[in-house]
Amino acid sequence: GAVVSQHPSWVICKSGTSVKIECRSLDFQATTMFWYRQFPKQSLMLMATSNEGSKATYEQGVEKDKFLINHASLTLSTLTVTSAHPEDSSFYICSARDPGNTGELFFGEGSRLTVL
Amino acid sequence: LAKTTQPISMDSYEGQEVNITCSHNNIATNDYITWYQQFPSQGPRFIIQGYKTKVTNEVASLFIPADRKSSTLSLPRVSLSDTAVYYCLALGGSYIPTFGRGTSLIVHP
Repeated sequence: GAVVSQHPSWVICKSGTSVKIECRSLDFQATTMFWYRQFPKQSLMLMATSNEGSKATYEQGVEKDKFLINHASLTLSTLTVTSAHPEDSSFYICSARDPGNTGELFFGEGSRLTVL
Repeated sequence: LAKTTQPISMDSYEGQEVNITCSHNNIATNDYITWYQQFPSQGPRFIIQGYKTKVTNEVASLFIPADRKSSTLSLPRVSLSDTAVYYCLALGGSYIPTFGRGTSLIVHP
């Protein structure tokens, strides 16, 4: 199956700094990618839809200036957590949609962000 | 987007067959029923996908009745390593994929 790679798998940063997470589709072109956030023992919460060559669409309650999403190519989307605070500590997961009709999603390995 | 409903948790024992049912009453004509497995601190992993009737692969079977308002994921002879959270999604080509709460399966020795 298709492969989506996410990097870094974990990151620790100081409060007030910015952190960038990359999501790459390795063997297919992904015009649409999705970013999720997951807290312990909870389900995945959709943050935003990333569309190649256009602005991301954010879900209600997600601050677009806080979570910057860039989808500059058909194989790369990035999520930047700006001015991170401890409450931003979470597990972030990206996914890319199968270009075919089934809508199947391929997920990255996830990135664990810890803000001190 | 079809909302899905699953049991929050299930318990089983090694070697047993586990059936997890998902309700999706508002499924659209072009939706595919897709199941994912997630282990702690990992991204979800695709298990199986189907449109109707029965689909089987090397790890699971998926049963979908004719009205497609529900589906059942069947895991044959589970092992401890099958302890995970299982998510059912109805995915179509243009839908925004949102997750329900999933089913936390615990397999006991």
